[in-house]
Amino acid sequence: DVKVTQSSRYLVKRTGEKVFLECVQDMDHENMFWYRQDPGLGLRLIYFSYDVKMKEKGDIPEGYSVSREKKERFSLILESASTNQTSMYLCASRIGSGKLFFGSGTQLSVL
Amino acid sequence: DQQVKQNSPSLSVQEGRISILNCDYTNSMFDYFLWYKKYPAEGPTFLISISSIKDKNEDGRFTVFLNKSAKHLSLHIVPSQPGDSAVYFCAASAGTGANNLFFGTGTRLTVIP
Repeated sequence: DVKVTQSSRYLVKRTGEKVFLECVQDMDHENMFWYRQDPGLGLRLIYFSYDVKMKEKGDIPEGYSVSREKKERFSLILESASTNQTSMYLCASRIGSGKLFFGSGTQLSVL
Repeated sequence: DQQVKQNSPSLSVQEGRISILNCDYTNSMFDYFLWYKKYPAEGPTFLISISSIKDKNEDGRFTVFLNKSAKHLSLHIVPSQPGDSAVYFCAASAGTGANNLFFGTGTRLTVIP
């Protein structure tokens, strides 16, 4: 089974802090994604990557950046955390156009 | 603009009865549809999918129906169980691009024992 691992289940950060969310997948998938999930808004795509060092903006990239130095690892960076970035963050991977496999999520609270 | 819509934010059903979750889409290029289930504090897990060449796909208690002319799909759960209580997301895919999956806003299903 595909395993997508997110490094933290819960994080609490202060406004203005730089925040790193890490994601690792073990199935050699080319494509990796970062979503955030908010009640009533569903899953919204922040960034995705289709190869090492390649990235594309999703629907809501403002305030975020990403890094993909190795195929198995995709990091989401909040340059200066704000309270409106309090959310559930979900990493996912897929091969080609097949189904997405999600990690368990990181619930981030920015105070 | 939301290309995949789940107009019912919540649904309550008695245990043992049928749950029907609905999803509408606007893009006629969508050719692959998926349902994901999400428990609180967990990531979504894949439930069932259907290709546009079919109008029905069944997996145990779960059946997905696709009506292409109406741009509508539905997920039927029979019989519903308390463990089915979760948020269900509909997703649709167009073509083979890396970023081609569009999600609905989710429906929270509560199955009452």
